[in-house]
Amino acid sequence: GESVGLHLPTLSVQEGDNSIINCAYSNSASDYFIWYKQESGKGPQFIIDIRSNMDKRQGQRVTVLLNKTVKHLSLQIAATQPGDSAVYFCAEEGGNDYKLSFGAGTTVTVRA
Amino acid sequence: NAGVMQNPRHLVRRRGQEARLRCSPMKGHSHVYWYRQLPEEGLKFMVYLQKENIIDESGMPKERFSAEFPKEGPSILRIQQVVRGDSAAYFCASSLFVTGGNTEAFFGQGTRLTVV
Repeated sequence: GESVGLHLPTLSVQEGDNSIINCAYSNSASDYFIWYKQESGKGPQFIIDIRSNMDKRQGQRVTVLLNKTVKHLSLQIAATQPGDSAVYFCAEEGGNDYKLSFGAGTTVTVRA
Repeated sequence: NAGVMQNPRHLVRRRGQEARLRCSPMKGHSHVYWYRQLPEEGLKFMVYLQKENIIDESGMPKERFSAEFPKEGPSILRIQQVVRGDSAAYFCASSLFVTGGNTEAFFGQGTRLTVV
């Protein structure tokens, strides 16, 4: 089955609010996780990553949280803007494996 | 520094024809990865290549699909005798070193293949 998955396929957010996108994974050996943003007609764009020896990492307006106990990953976007509307994918990489396993994606729509 | 360049962006083929998808990695990158994305799904790994070598093709169908990354020129993903089920977006990514840890893979814009 799918080793990486997302809880909700769509998320509608009011502009200015915070967004939280969730992801579950099943491979305990995964030690590297990445969030990608994909806009319509474009390729995935790296947002932020986190290694398994961390539980939190912050970027510009984004925070990734990793809970290894329950194999859960989340992406928080602060003060969501219209330009944040896209499909968001979590991806994981296990051990020395260079292959990225992607979840199905969450479509985020920002309401004005 | 140009990003990962894929061409064509859109490709239409009739059943039974061949499809050739090209990927020029970022300058200096010698690691190339191909992924396939079906509508409303995540990307699925197909093949990992380094210059002149196929490192891992475990995600690529054994028949009709082949990939190469020659010493000179772009990486090519070739699909022979295409069928409707091959319709998808094909993405190429490249990295400076093998991905993982601090090595980021950069994705191209993809080639959208439609088989009619």
